[in-house]
Amino acid sequence: GQNIDQPTEMTATEGAIVQINCTYQTSGFNGLFWYQQHAGEAPTFLSYNVLDGLEEKGRFSSFLSRSKGYSYLLLKELQMKDSASYLCAVPPLGAGSYQLTFGKGTKLSVIP
Amino acid sequence: GAGVSQSPSNKVTEKGKDVELRCDPISGHTALYWYRQSLGQGLEFLIYFQGNSAPDKSGLPSDRFSAERTGGSVSTLTIQRTQQEDSAVYLCASSFGGATGELFFGEGSRLTVL
Repeated sequence: GQNIDQPTEMTATEGAIVQINCTYQTSGFNGLFWYQQHAGEAPTFLSYNVLDGLEEKGRFSSFLSRSKGYSYLLLKELQMKDSASYLCAVPPLGAGSYQLTFGKGTKLSVIP
Repeated sequence: GAGVSQSPSNKVTEKGKDVELRCDPISGHTALYWYRQSLGQGLEFLIYFQGNSAPDKSGLPSDRFSAERTGGSVSTLTIQRTQQEDSAVYLCASSFGGATGELFFGEGSRLTVL
């Protein structure tokens, strides 16, 4: 099976940097996704990491350590519009399984 | 269409009634997923379609839930004899295929069972 843990809620100040952590326990590994979901809206893709290290994409970066079963999403120069839930997800393993397994998400509140 | 379209966006029904939720994926996407999101919970996988077939139905919570996909496009999720615990947002997503690809989600159908 696959188990994913993320903090439930975080609060950060506009203009600051915030790091959202995700730990996972899986019987194998096939990459890790981050999705953003604004309240009442559809989740949207942010990043996909399959190799160790940091991948930067504008104000957002995602880090992966496969040996530690750990990833984080780094948001720089926070803006009010970054207030959303951030979902960590891992793809399926093994034949016959196709589901992307999501964590419960971290609700980020950006305050002035 | 430009994105994944779901209908209805909101559905209120009485306990015991049947409901049908519809998903129109992005044109050309062969893979289609249904997820359920309850308040304060993560996304719960329900079913996966590749074309018209469903090789993974492992997430359907009971035999009251069924889904079909026709023409490799539109999918319907049917919940029979709805219960209050079925209240949730039902999200549909599509992709070009394979779970290592980006999923494109619809806005969801919010189901409230009274």
